[in-house]
Amino acid sequence: AQSVTQLDSQVPVFEEAPVELRCNYSSSVSVYLFWYVQYPNQGLQLLLKYLSGSTLVKGINGFEAEFNKSQTSFHLRKPSVHISDTAEYFCAVSEVNDYKLSFGAGTTVTVRA
Amino acid sequence: DTAVSQTPKYLVTQMGNDKSIKCEQNLGHDTMYWYKQDSKKFLKIMFSYNNKELIINETVPNRFSPKSPDKAHLNLHINSLELGDSAVYFCASSQFAGAEAFFGQGTRLTVV
Repeated sequence: AQSVTQLDSQVPVFEEAPVELRCNYSSSVSVYLFWYVQYPNQGLQLLLKYLSGSTLVKGINGFEAEFNKSQTSFHLRKPSVHISDTAEYFCAVSEVNDYKLSFGAGTTVTVRA
Repeated sequence: DTAVSQTPKYLVTQMGNDKSIKCEQNLGHDTMYWYKQDSKKFLKIMFSYNNKELIINETVPNRFSPKSPDKAHLNLHINSLELGDSAVYFCASSQFAGAEAFFGQGTRLTVV
């Protein structure tokens, strides 16, 4: 069975600074990888996904992530954050052809002026 | 049009009551899910359905009974509600197994 570890529970960052959120996964088979964002009192919105192909994936709102198979990682980055990026970020993994999406514990990003 | 919609958005009820949450998706997806988000924001899958058939029941108490009348709907009925059932429940759908899930806005259930 797959599992996901988000290495940082909270990441404070200043506006216009870069941010990196770390995610490692564990699985014995091929996987799909995702990052979701949850704004307060809202549902989850997909930021980006890796299914196959290029290991550098670009998503919405200027976010990107890189799939590293040897390190079983899928870290999320943004070169310059805005106040509006303050939210909870979840890394998720599913095994190919599996009906289960497993989530990490989440990383709270707080952007300060 | 909302892709995945849940009703109600908020639900406050007493212990021992029975309640239902409804979910509908207009994306034409075959697979639907129920997730539970606890007070620490941890998301855990409860059920997965594909073409109205139960695929995954993730050791959820049998007080929770999902029902899928058709591919576009997946409802969740909860009997004999307990304090520990308080959480946010999310419905989601995906196009195929393993694909990205599209989530509803959530139902915040508070049991008092």
